[in-house]
Amino acid sequence: RKEVEQDPGPFNVPEGATVAFNCTYSNSASQSFFWYRQDCRKEPKLLMSVYSSGNEDGRFTAQLNRASQYISLLIRDSKLSDSATYLCVVIRNTGNQFYFGTGTSLTVIP
Amino acid sequence: DTAVSQTPKYLVTQMGNDKSIKCEQNLGHDTMYWYKQDSKKFLKIMFSYNNKELIINETVPNRFSPKSPDKAHLNLHINSLELGDSAVYFCASSQVRGWGTEAFFGQGTRLTVV
Repeated sequence: RKEVEQDPGPFNVPEGATVAFNCTYSNSASQSFFWYRQDCRKEPKLLMSVYSSGNEDGRFTAQLNRASQYISLLIRDSKLSDSATYLCVVIRNTGNQFYFGTGTSLTVIP
Repeated sequence: DTAVSQTPKYLVTQMGNDKSIKCEQNLGHDTMYWYKQDSKKFLKIMFSYNNKELIINETVPNRFSPKSPDKAHLNLHINSLELGDSAVYFCASSQVRGWGTEAFFGQGTRLTVV
């Protein structure tokens, strides 16, 4: 079983739509959780960390459910510039190893 | 100033050749990584070094040999290149902070083996 599983999509949504991505992780010892964004032919960059109580950054909201080992990302009022691949990332409590999901592709359509 | 820089950005080479990719980070991080991103876009960890010591070595052919001369550098040497080695290779670094950990990635090296 993969360490981190994501629906690869693609998600094609109109501008202004709300879209949600989900991710599950297999190791209950996982301690830290993130969403990274990767633009086409670019390197992954941190979008936001995911905290136990849930957190929001502008139009982006991240949630963590430890009991279900589930992470989500909600994007409100989608912009064209949100088109990218969104990677769910998990770190175990041992060391700094980052486990990446396969990514979810989002295209925001005018 | 680029935080994590890797060279070259593009590498086209023939099967059987030996090539190296270099990576340097100026963030003062203790941990550096090599990731491989294949055509399906999956980012898979290959190696991780902490303060010049190998801490993670995933199931990678021994044709791949990382070298860390100091904690700011992690190079990747590949012997006897094969077609299946074609991918984008990303170097990254990270540091545990009080608020958490963030990994910073280099721009990637697009390796094509012909």
